[in-house]
Amino acid sequence: EPEVTQTPSHQVTQMGQEVILRCVPISNHLYFYWYRQILGQKVEFLVSFYNNEISEKSEIFDDQFSVERPDGSNFTLKIRSTKLEDSAMYFCASRGGRYNEQFFGPGTRLTVL
Amino acid sequence: TQLLEQSPQFLSIQEGENLTVYCNSSSVFSSLQWYRQEPGEGPVLLVTVVTGGEVKKLKRLTFQFGDARKDSSLHITAAQPGDTGLYLCAEARRGGATNKLIFGTGTLLAVQP
Repeated sequence: EPEVTQTPSHQVTQMGQEVILRCVPISNHLYFYWYRQILGQKVEFLVSFYNNEISEKSEIFDDQFSVERPDGSNFTLKIRSTKLEDSAMYFCASRGGRYNEQFFGPGTRLTVL
Repeated sequence: TQLLEQSPQFLSIQEGENLTVYCNSSSVFSSLQWYRQEPGEGPVLLVTVVTGGEVKKLKRLTFQFGDARKDSSLHITAAQPGDTGLYLCAEARRGGATNKLIFGTGTLLAVQP
């Protein structure tokens, strides 16, 4: 069964460093998303992406964040200058299926020191 | 802003017991998804309910969508330790060309052997 994959599973970085989180969505899906979950809190929407452009972004998704689909398979989230409060699980999702459901990857745990 | 409230927040039961968890909103859902999340992993889609009054079954799990489409419930029969996890309801909220998911507060279920 097709699934969303994410790399790395865990990323440790120093405050102020750039990180790139990678996702491979399900191959025939057209809509892609990033969510994050701070430890003990709700899963929250960051950004949606369709037709090679951002469709919607949340207040969290400020100028430090960017997304890209550099080729036909990868979907990336870049944080330019990480802050301590960026430490969280980051989930990629892609949308498709009968009810246009979102399917999530296993997540990347980002730890900013 | 529509909030999705889930209850109870925590539930600890013995193997073999039945349980019901709830998802409520002040507004009408367009559709509702139920996910299950294990620690350190991404949410896994269980079911989508669309029609008011709809009932869907997934093995020992029964999902109901309220007639007014403002509430939903998940009933587990004869719970097993493998059912342990965080149960999340989520609504797809339209914005731009894509639908972001708004997640509920979650019910953390622990099934003791």
